[in-house]
Amino acid sequence: SAVISQKPSRDICQRGTSLTIQCQVDSQVTMMFWYRQQPGQSLTLIATANQGSEATYESGFVIDKFPISRPNLTFSTLTVSNMSPEDSSIYLCSVGLGVRSDEQFFGPGTRLTVL
Amino acid sequence: AQKVTQAQTEISVVEKEDVTLDCVYETRDTTYYLFWYKQPPSGELVFLIRRNSFDEQNEISGRYSWNFQKSTSSFNFTITASQVVDSAVYFCALSGLSGGSYIPTFGRGTSLIVHP
Repeated sequence: SAVISQKPSRDICQRGTSLTIQCQVDSQVTMMFWYRQQPGQSLTLIATANQGSEATYESGFVIDKFPISRPNLTFSTLTVSNMSPEDSSIYLCSVGLGVRSDEQFFGPGTRLTVL
Repeated sequence: AQKVTQAQTEISVVEKEDVTLDCVYETRDTTYYLFWYKQPPSGELVFLIRRNSFDEQNEISGRYSWNFQKSTSSFNFTITASQVVDSAVYFCALSGLSGGSYIPTFGRGTSLIVHP
């Protein structure tokens, strides 16, 4: 397994501002993922972040709104830009372990509320 | 395309009752993985089990058991003698090979409420 931490654990932000969420893993991993969980909903994959290359975004998510960095094999950041109340969600970082990343472990999540 | 259906939105039981959470999936992949995760009120996703498509053996872990049936594309989860601490949202997920790696698709989750 992997131990994953996220910062901040929660935040309340004003409309129009940006928030950067950090994800730290206790071991080197190839693939890291960012998910969004809107209130009462399931998890939706935002993007896959591989070290040394640009993140791959899922349909409906764009780099300008959710820029991602992956500077090394243990760390990634997700920025939620120009926030609106619709961005209020839990944002989760996960890592893929095993062959082809078939085991996914999740961080504790960041609860974001946008006023 | 992959799809996971958890038809039960919310289940309410009294402590010590047994409860089964249903999960039905769709995939065209011959090799795939099925997962169950638990999300307590704190929000963290806790990994419970992973099962690959070639292993239909049922699994038991303490009060938890899983029934995988390829014939009905189901991967159901049973909690025996439920406890208040089992109250959480439970997600079933499926991952098949996509672009060279397995990225899971999640069901909508089943909220389990265990009353004392």
